[in-house]
Amino acid sequence: QKEVEQDPGPLSVPEGAIVSLNCTYSNSAFQYFMWYRQYSRKGPELLMYTYSSGNKEDGRFTAQVDKSSKYISLFIRDSQPSDSATYLCAMKETSGSRLTFGEGTQLTVNP
Amino acid sequence: SAVISQKPSRDICQRGTSLTIQCQVDSQVTMMFWYRQQPGQSLTLIATANQGSEATYESGFVIDKFPISRPNLTFSTLTVSNLSPEDSSIYLCSVAGTGLNTEAFFGQGTRLTVV
Repeated sequence: QKEVEQDPGPLSVPEGAIVSLNCTYSNSAFQYFMWYRQYSRKGPELLMYTYSSGNKEDGRFTAQVDKSSKYISLFIRDSQPSDSATYLCAMKETSGSRLTFGEGTQLTVNP
Repeated sequence: SAVISQKPSRDICQRGTSLTIQCQVDSQVTMMFWYRQQPGQSLTLIATANQGSEATYESGFVIDKFPISRPNLTFSTLTVSNLSPEDSSIYLCSVAGTGLNTEAFFGQGTRLTVV
């Protein structure tokens, strides 16, 4: 069993839709949770970063962490064609330790 | 955040040869990481490179195949040796911040094709 599970998609939505991206994990020691966006032929770009449980909002993006369920989510409101990319969740146990990535979800937002 | 310059951005290499990838950071960082991302796959950590010590390799990756240098706190190289078509992949360097905000920042990647 993988430590981090993420549905690879592909996910296709119309412009303006609310997008929900999710990851589950099995390692209860994970404390730091990140979401990266990766455009084609580019390196991953950090979108959101959360420590422990709770919600974090940044513009159209909201990250949620539910440690009791070992489940994290990224919500994108009012999705735009420019949001079309692969979204990767990542997590780690403690400060400075290595990241464990999900497989990434390929998202397409259609105009 | 850190700005990471990685080169080359892409290369096509003959099997049996080697490719060295360079990673330059605009600030001093303690830890640098090298990842591989195979087509349609997520990122797999190859090794962690700390300045002044030998790199630490993940399971399945060995120094003879992926030698790493870390001569100072802003620079590292990864060499992929004795290339085979299975090495065709994107190679990424990343750095971790310090303190509690230890999120990783990535270079743009090197797309390697072995023919």
